[in-house]
Amino acid sequence: DVKVTQSSRYLVKRTGEKVFLECVQDMDHENMFWYRQDPGLGLRLIYFSYDVKMKEKGDIPEGYSVSREKKERFSLILESASTNQTSMYLCASSYERGRVNEQFFGPGTRLTVL
Amino acid sequence: ILNVEQSPQSLHVQEGDSTNFTCSFPSSNFYALHWYRWETAKSPEALFVMTLNGDEKKKGRISATLNTKEGYSYLYIKGSQPEDSATYLCAQLLFGNEKLTFGTGTRLTIIP
Repeated sequence: DVKVTQSSRYLVKRTGEKVFLECVQDMDHENMFWYRQDPGLGLRLIYFSYDVKMKEKGDIPEGYSVSREKKERFSLILESASTNQTSMYLCASSYERGRVNEQFFGPGTRLTVL
Repeated sequence: ILNVEQSPQSLHVQEGDSTNFTCSFPSSNFYALHWYRWETAKSPEALFVMTLNGDEKKKGRISATLNTKEGYSYLYIKGSQPEDSATYLCAQLLFGNEKLTFGTGTRLTIIP
């Protein structure tokens, strides 16, 4: 079974702090994604990556950056956290670029920025 | 339709009853439609990935149909059980695009 893990289930940070959210997948997937989920809105894509050191902006990249130094790990970075970044963050991975693949999701990190 | 839309937003169904809900999406540049089930405190899990017009897929009591020409998909649950309580998400993949666009989901509650 594919397993996608995220470093924390709950996280509380202060405005202005630098925040790292880590995601690891164990099935050698090429594609990895970061989403956020807010009430009344669908999952919105922040960034994705289809290879090591590659990254592509999603629909809402402002205020975020990402890092993919190893195939299995994809990190989301909030350079200076703000209260409007309080949200549920979900990481996902899928098999290969250019194919119609289901995405496998992690359990999510509920981030609160005070 | 410019975005992926799901209806209804929420639904309460008596245990044992059957139900269905809708995902509408832009029909141009269609490549694939995904359905996911997201139970509380768990990760979203894929139910179906559908690509062809007229596709029908089934997994146990859950099935889905796809009409790419008119831009909609239906998800059916037969004989609802309490474990079917979840939010059901659909997402569209456009041709030439790696990104899924998600609807806001249908929250299903099964009443015992």
